[in-house]
Amino acid sequence: DVKVTQSSRYLVKRTGEKVFLECVQDMDHENMFWYRQDPGLGLRLIYFSYDVKMKEKGDIPEGYSVSREKKERFSLILESASTNQTSMYLCASSLRGWQPQHFGDGTRLSIL
Amino acid sequence: AQSVTQLGSHVSVSEGALVLLRCNYSSSVPPYLFWYVQYPNQGLQLLLKYTSAATLVKGINGFEAEFKKSETSFHLTKPSAHMSDAAEYFCAVSFKAAGNKLTFGGGTRVLVKP
Repeated sequence: DVKVTQSSRYLVKRTGEKVFLECVQDMDHENMFWYRQDPGLGLRLIYFSYDVKMKEKGDIPEGYSVSREKKERFSLILESASTNQTSMYLCASSLRGWQPQHFGDGTRLSIL
Repeated sequence: AQSVTQLGSHVSVSEGALVLLRCNYSSSVPPYLFWYVQYPNQGLQLLLKYTSAATLVKGINGFEAEFKKSETSFHLTKPSAHMSDAAEYFCAVSFKAAGNKLTFGGGTRVLVKP
């Protein structure tokens, strides 16, 4: 079974801090994704990556950046955290193309 | 741009009754379609997928969905609800032309009454 591991289940940070969310997958998947989940809005794509050192903006990239230095690891960075970034963050990976995405358990991030 | 609409943010069913969750998408090209389930405090788990083979797709836990091109729909059903089906369900669509990124519906939370 594919395992996608997110480094923290719960995280509390302060406004203005630089925040790192880490995601690791163990199945040599090419594609990795970061979403945020908010009630009533479903999941919205922040950034994704089809290969090492490659990144593409999703639908809501403002205020975020990403890093993919190794194939198995995809990091989401909040450059200067703000309260409107309080949310559930989900990482996912897929083998390639249209193959289904596999999700981590999520990080519930609170910005105070 | 493609979009996905799930009708009803909350659905309540009795144990043993039919579960029907509605999903409509907008697109002029054939999509790939997915249903995911999310249990409390967990990530999303794939229930089933449609990738242009059979229009009736069977998934895990007794769920199935039917792709109807003329109605641009991909509704999810289960003949008999179980208490363990209480969760949030998401419909999602992707297109080759969009780099196979997933677009999600807003989700439907299912409550199962004993």
